[in-house]
Amino acid sequence: QQQVKQSPQSLIVQKGGISIINCAYENTAFDYFPWYQQFPGKGPALLIAIRPDVSEKKEGRFTISFNKSAKQFSLHIMDSQPGDSATYFCAASMRQGAQKLVFGQGTRLTINP
Amino acid sequence: GAGVSQTPSNKVTEKGKYVELRCDPISGHTALYWYRQSLGQGPEFLIYFQGTGAADDSGLPNDRFFAVRPEGSVSTLKIQRTERGDSAVYLCASSLRGGAIQYFGAGTRLSVL
Repeated sequence: QQQVKQSPQSLIVQKGGISIINCAYENTAFDYFPWYQQFPGKGPALLIAIRPDVSEKKEGRFTISFNKSAKQFSLHIMDSQPGDSATYFCAASMRQGAQKLVFGQGTRLTINP
Repeated sequence: GAGVSQTPSNKVTEKGKYVELRCDPISGHTALYWYRQSLGQGPEFLIYFQGTGAADDSGLPNDRFFAVRPEGSVSTLKIQRTERGDSAVYLCASSLRGGAIQYFGAGTRLSVL
């Protein structure tokens, strides 16, 4: 099955706090796991991505944690800022073929000042 | 161009009409994808082009949907006999030679009345 499940659906975090969004997948053929950020009226923009040969990847305040055995991965946003308020999507794709992205349902993140 | 360009940004049509949505990918990107994003959901894959040919059209919901990319650059998504259920944001993405990193346009918001 191609499904990617994302939680929570919405999240409110205080400025300076840590935002955590979780995703789980079923298809073990997936080998690329990106996170996209989407602002209202805009298209999704790639934020950070990971391949299953590493368990963690950090870029600035954004970290992906990956658990291959559990088929789960998560996005951590450290020192969350009001400008981080957006909808976040996890996704997965396979190296073979079209490399089409299978997206989670999205998390609407609100950072309160 | 600097990014993926989609026109029009908004399209309102009546049930049963024909519509065309245009995507202009990043210059030099040979891979082009169409996705559909319903309200409150993640994008769903429709079709993938590598060059001029549709390499994977498994996401097209039915034969009312068709897409072309005659010169390997601009693509047009065509929807015949539109239905209210076709209302959504149609996103286009491009990537270099079908790589995992996809760059999205802002989308066309289609409203079928």
